[in-house]
Amino acid sequence: DSGVTQTPKHLITATGQRVTLRCSPRSGDLSVYWYQQSLDQGLQFLIQYYNGEERAKGNILERFSAQQFPDLHSELNLSSLELGDSALYFCASSPSGVPDTQYFGPGTRLTVL
Amino acid sequence: AQRVTQPEKLLSVFKGAPVELKCNYSYSGSPELFWYVQYSRQRLQLLLRHISRESIKGFTADLNKGETSFHLKKPFAQEEDSAMYYCALNRMDSSYKLIFGSGTRLLVRP
Repeated sequence: DSGVTQTPKHLITATGQRVTLRCSPRSGDLSVYWYQQSLDQGLQFLIQYYNGEERAKGNILERFSAQQFPDLHSELNLSSLELGDSALYFCASSPSGVPDTQYFGPGTRLTVL
Repeated sequence: AQRVTQPEKLLSVFKGAPVELKCNYSYSGSPELFWYVQYSRQRLQLLLRHISRESIKGFTADLNKGETSFHLKKPFAQEEDSAMYYCALNRMDSSYKLIFGSGTRLLVRP
C-alpha cells in the first residue's frame, strides 16, 4: 500500500501517560499534517511539517508535540494525557508545502481511561 | 475567522432521489474548497476539489462566491453513496491547514 499509513490503529492508556503516534506519508509526499477528530470538536488541524521543518500550527496543546524525520515519517507525541484527549488522530500527506490536496491515513483511535 | 458550516448532521433520501449536501464558508480571501468522503470503516478520501471542476461518482459542486457556498449535488443517489461527507476550506495563502465542517451523514435508503 503506497498510501498514508498510521500505527497503531488503536491505543488505550491511562491519564497522565505519554504516547507516540506514527505516520508514514505517501511515497514522494513531503508534507505531513496531523488532525484530531473528536465528537465535540469535529476535525481540528493540529500541525504541519514540510520536509522536516514545522510549517504551520493549529490548535495543538503544549502537551502535544510532533516531528518529521529525515525519511519523512512523522510522530505525534501526546503527554500528560487527559480524558478529553480521547479522539481519532489522523495524519495526512501532500506532495508539496503549498496548499494542495491532502491524502489521509486510516487514523489512530486513542482512548484515555 | 474562517469557518465552514454544514447545517445538516443527517440527510436521509431514497435511492434514485436527488441529493444536495449544503456547505457554507466564511473567509474574506480567495478560498480553495474540497469535499471529502468517509465511507464506513474507511479513511477520509478526497471526493471533489473545486478548482479541478471534475465530476466524481456523479457528484458535482459549484463554488458560489456571492452566497459563499459550495453545495454538493448528485441527481440520483445510490445506496453506496451512504457515508459521512465533509466540506473543507484551504486558504490560498501561506496557511496550509484544512478547515473542516462538522460533516453530514448521508443515508440512502433502498
